[in-house]
Amino acid sequence: ETGVTQTPRHLVMGMTNKKSLKCEQHLGHNAMYWYKQSAKKPLELMFVYNFKEQTENNSVPSRFSPECPNSSHLFLHLHTLQPEDSALYLCASSQDPHLATGHLSPLHFGNGTRLTVT
Amino acid sequence: GENVEQHPSTLSVQEGDSAVIKCTYSDSASNYFPWYKQELGKRPQLIIDIRSNVGEKKDQRIAVTLNKTAKHFSLHITETQPEDSAVYFCAASYHGGSQGNLIFGKGTKLSVKP
Repeated sequence: ETGVTQTPRHLVMGMTNKKSLKCEQHLGHNAMYWYKQSAKKPLELMFVYNFKEQTENNSVPSRFSPECPNSSHLFLHLHTLQPEDSALYLCASSQDPHLATGHLSPLHFGNGTRLTVT
Repeated sequence: GENVEQHPSTLSVQEGDSAVIKCTYSDSASNYFPWYKQELGKRPQLIIDIRSNVGEKKDQRIAVTLNKTAKHFSLHITETQPEDSAVYFCAASYHGGSQGNLIFGKGTKLSVKP
């Protein structure tokens, strides 16, 4: 068990659909992230939530809408996506900064949602 | 902003040989350098990290070296095994912000042939 659970594992949606990706972490972390992983590209940070407050939005199109109701849950709401949005969407969490060391702690990733937009 | 370059993009070695993956970064303020391993169909997992106050760190068959002057860091895997086959990502960030400042390289696909 990863400690970070993402659902669904696979999602196929049309460009006019609305869907949501869900992420849950059981590690007691205070920060959660959405990353996009496309073929032959670096992992792209999309959103960061620290203590439930969004601290970063890396110029992500408005068709992606995050929601963080509490420090354990993170959602990514999708609407009117484009085929180029097809990718693996990874959720991650961390304790930021680490309570014991004061340093950045490792990212713990979920298994991702493989999204295909048709 | 930070830019991380990673080479090579693919690497094939014979079982038992060593593998080296290199990364360069642009922001001299970066001080935290983790390496993640992603096996096929699985999530990325941290395998080792290094901070700018040390030049080398080892964990069994894995080591990372850091050259702050040249702004590059490398992952060394000795006595490679087939289970080392995966995509490896380097990253760099500045401690003073959050993980939101973590910038990843494009990844290296390592294949270890038995």
